[in-house]
Amino acid sequence: GENVEQHPSTLSVQEGDSAVIKCTYSDSASNYFPWYKQELGKRPQLIIDIRSNVGEKKDQRIAVTLNKTAKHFSLHITETQPEDSAVYFCAATDSNYQLIWGAGTKLIIKP
Amino acid sequence: DAGVIQSPRHEVTEMGQEVTLRCKPISGHNSLFWYRQTMMRGLELLIYFNNNVPIDDSGMPEDRFSAKMPNASFSTLKIQPSEPRDSAVYFCASSYQGRDTEAFFGQGTRLTVV
Repeated sequence: GENVEQHPSTLSVQEGDSAVIKCTYSDSASNYFPWYKQELGKRPQLIIDIRSNVGEKKDQRIAVTLNKTAKHFSLHITETQPEDSAVYFCAATDSNYQLIWGAGTKLIIKP
Repeated sequence: DAGVIQSPRHEVTEMGQEVTLRCKPISGHNSLFWYRQTMMRGLELLIYFNNNVPIDDSGMPEDRFSAKMPNASFSTLKIQPSEPRDSAVYFCASSYQGRDTEAFFGQGTRLTVV
């Protein structure tokens, strides 16, 4: 079955710098890769997703890249701001469209 | 749509008591998921329903846990008897399988078993 690994578990960056979170997956048939943001005490919410037919997608300061050959995908946040502090989860769908989740990355933005 | 609605938001119960968590998915969604989140284990999928039918319950910890989805607009997760190690935030999420697979989460139920 699908297995998703996420790194790092904690990431601390200076405000204004960029942050990169990486995930690898095992099932080459996976075709949907969302990223969720969970603020403290809140529910996870989708921030960006990518499908296997594209290699990169951007939405303002957030971008996701996908390398199908290497089976890894990454979240890039530029010009980080205090409100970016949260836990970020990557996920990949298995053959039943079920989301398999990474363990999460706690992103800390230092003022 | 009001989104995925969970109740109660908070539940404190004594060990050995029965606990029932409730979820109303987004209208039109045909997939429903129950998750458990703890600091130690992260976000764990407990059970997944598609068209009201349980598809994968391999994440249900043990027989004390049971889940039902009697119709497309309601699901319950029951723990009987509850134990302190069941303390966690339980999320329900729904999605439309086969098209937009974004999962929409409810606000969660924070369960504390003392």
